[in-house]
Amino acid sequence: EAGVTQSPTHLIKTRGQQATLRCSPISGHTSVYWYQQALGLGLQFLLWYDEGEERNRGNFPPRFSGRQFPNYSSELNVNALELEDSALYLCASSLGSGQAYNEQFFGPGTRLTVL
Amino acid sequence: SQKIEQNSEALNIQEGKTATLTCNYTNYSPAYLQWYRQDPGRGPVFLLLIRENEKEKRKERLKVTFDTTLKQSLFHITASQPADSATYLCALVRGSQGNLIFGKGTKLSVKP
Repeated sequence: EAGVTQSPTHLIKTRGQQATLRCSPISGHTSVYWYQQALGLGLQFLLWYDEGEERNRGNFPPRFSGRQFPNYSSELNVNALELEDSALYLCASSLGSGQAYNEQFFGPGTRLTVL
Repeated sequence: SQKIEQNSEALNIQEGKTATLTCNYTNYSPAYLQWYRQDPGRGPVFLLLIRENEKEKRKERLKVTFDTTLKQSLFHITASQPADSATYLCALVRGSQGNLIFGKGTKLSVKP
């Protein structure tokens, strides 16, 4: 069974540009989560989508946005990139919000570098 | 707001010994707590989940305890091996589902 996939693996942008990161969950999973892992800060929760809707949002500015498609894949958009947005962006998936105690399965991440 | 702390940034132990990692949280007690392993440049890998009504959970050489009075979870690796060297993350969620709140992790190094 295929795991969570993310693309691209690496992304280099300049300040002020926009970045789009993509995630495909494990088949059968309807929840997708996005996390940011910046150096020295640990994993910070960004967004949670389930059944196409945004369920929760972390403490990030509105220029971080995303969506979930009907096939449950997801996209994270970061507008007006800043240098401190450089980080590993991790996507995770789990069974839907109707299930209890969901373990989350992570993808390999997208390394975003803002120059 | 909820905080979760792993009070050792790094832990160095000798092969064959038991590694014990600590996770403490503040404020409300989570419905459950999870432990993950992360290797450099890779996404975390789920290891164990323990529910609020469970005291202990085991999986092969791994053991997790959960003390809601102390607001603490301990993660043990027995008969440690150099291949166990990685960063171990503790995470919790308030309800039965939703986003995880992660600790910063403990980097474990097992020396042969």
